[in-house]
This record gives sequence, C-alpha cells and structure tokens, in this order.
Amino acid sequence: AQSVTQLDSHVSVSEGTPVLLRCNYSSSYSPSLFWYVQHPNKGLQLLLKYTSAATLVKGINGFEAEFKKSETSFHLTKPSAHMSDAAEYFCVVSDWDMRFGAGTRLTVKP
Amino acid sequence: DGGITQSPKYLFRKEGQNVTLSCEQNLNHDAMYWYRQDPGQGLRLIYYSQIVNDFQKGDIAEGYSVSREKKESFPLTVTSAQKNPTAFYLCASSLATNEQFFGPGTRLTVL
Repeated sequence: AQSVTQLDSHVSVSEGTPVLLRCNYSSSYSPSLFWYVQHPNKGLQLLLKYTSAATLVKGINGFEAEFKKSETSFHLTKPSAHMSDAAEYFCVVSDWDMRFGAGTRLTVKP
Repeated sequence: DGGITQSPKYLFRKEGQNVTLSCEQNLNHDAMYWYRQDPGQGLRLIYYSQIVNDFQKGDIAEGYSVSREKKESFPLTVTSAQKNPTAFYLCASSLATNEQFFGPGTRLTVL
C-alpha cells in the first residue's frame, strides 16, 4: 500500500531565506509524486509533479523538488522565501489512487 | 475559462438535516472526487467516480452519498447519519494522468 509522510507539521522561515519541506513516501510501484499548495480557505493548486522523467522537477513560483528513489524522498525546496509563500503544502503519492500527506504549514517572517 | 466550481462557499446546517454540495467542472475530465479536510489531517477521500453513472466509496464514505448523472457534475449529499459533518469539503477532477484539479471548496458548519 502506498503512503506519504510529511516530516514537519510546521516550518517557519524568514523572508529571503531558503525553504525546505520534507516528504517521504512508500509505494509498491513507480509512483507519481506531487506537491500542492493551499492558501487559507482555498482549494489546492498544483506546484509540481514527478512522473518518472527528470528527477529534479521545477514548479511554479520558484519551487522545485528532487525525487530520490534510494531515500524514498521528494523534498520541496525554494532558494528564497517570499511572504506570499505562507500557506499549507501537501505532498501526494499516486500509483492507482492519490494519497495525501497531513500537510506542512509554512510561515514566513518579515 | 475552464475549471471546477463548488457552491456554496459557506453552508450552515442544523443537526438532522441533509445538505447537498455542488461540484461542476468544464474540463471534460472523466474522473471526479470528493475529499474532506479537517485541521491537521490532510485530505481524506469520501467518494470518487471514474465514469458517468458509476462511483466508488473512498476511505470515509459513511454518512455521505453521491450521484454522477452527468460528466460535468458530481454532487455530494451529507446526510444526517454523518456524525461529525463540520469540515471543509473539496471537489477535484482528473484525466487518466492522476493529476487532480481542485475546486475552491465548501465550508460546512453544523449548528
């Protein structure tokens, strides 16, 4: 069975510093992996997705994630945080259905 | 302008009442989904439908019902049998690639 674990429920960074949101997954197959972002009281927006092509995936708003099969990880990074990045982030694994992590709340301090 | 719409944005219900949440998409997607979101628990799948006139239970289907009479519509009914219905409900749709597109959500509050 597939599952996903987001290792931090809350991450706080200062504006202009790097962001790292950690995600580990388990899957019996070669999964597709996604990161979604959710701003308060809004739906989810796709940031990026990995579907067995390049292991380093670039997404919107300067985010990127690296698929590491040996570590079963798909961590989300951004070199420099912006105030508008403050939101909830979900890592998702999919082989035949989608499984969502519990989410990581990112806070950006001025 | 393609996308997914959910209505209403906010919904209040008295205990014992059934309510129906609307979800419409004009993306021509075959599959549609309903999720429930509670604080700190991520998204949990209630029901999904891969084709018109067919749907399957997700992880937490008890107390909910759905219909899929049209490709673009997938309404969710929260029945009085749902013991704790206060939550944020999200509808999504997808093609076969599994990438899901989400609506803006409906926040249901039971008074």
